[in-house]
Amino acid sequence: AQKITQTQPGMFVQEKEAVTLDCTYDTSDQSYGLFWYKQPSSGEMIFLIYQGSYDEQNATEGRYSLNFQKARKSANLVISASQLGDSAMYFCGTRGSQGNLIFGKGTKLSVKP
Amino acid sequence: NAGVTQTPKFQVLKTGQSMTLQCAQDMNHEYMSWYRQDPGMGLRLIHYSVGAGITDQGEVPNGYNVSRSTTEDFPLRLLSAAPSQTSVYFCASSYSTRGAGNTIYFGEGSWLTVV
Repeated sequence: AQKITQTQPGMFVQEKEAVTLDCTYDTSDQSYGLFWYKQPSSGEMIFLIYQGSYDEQNATEGRYSLNFQKARKSANLVISASQLGDSAMYFCGTRGSQGNLIFGKGTKLSVKP
Repeated sequence: NAGVTQTPKFQVLKTGQSMTLQCAQDMNHEYMSWYRQDPGMGLRLIHYSVGAGITDQGEVPNGYNVSRSTTEDFPLRLLSAAPSQTSVYFCASSYSTRGAGNTIYFGEGSWLTVV
């Protein structure tokens, strides 16, 4: 079974600085993907970035990048130049056997002005 | 693009009432699913569908029904609402479940309160 672990319940970052949100995973699948989603206080679930296990380069999407270390089974999200609007819950996830998303418990990021 | 559209956004039900949460996507996605999100419980799969005419149960299916008569629509029915079904419900879809196109996109969520 797949498992996602996010060990940082809450993080603070100063506006304009970079922040890394940790994610480790456990899966027996040979081919898999890692996702990051953002959930602001308004509640919607916003897709940020995806990394496939066989992708040779780390994924990037604007200010978001994924630091993928396969040997360590980690898929950390890096947000550069933090903005106040980045304050939200962040979830790391992977697909389960039923095609569902399996999330970690999430990290609450607070950006300070 | 509309993406995944869920209605209603907010609903208050009385115990025993029934209702349907609507979900539609315009991305020609084969895979659709319903989740509920509760504090401390994370996101739990209720039902899912891998294509029109095919549905299956997830982790917490009791008290809910689904159907998939078209690729676009995947309604969730609460048969006889109970206070334990007070939750935030998300509909989600993806083109595939593996490889390219397996990114899941969510609707905006439906806040349901059962009194």
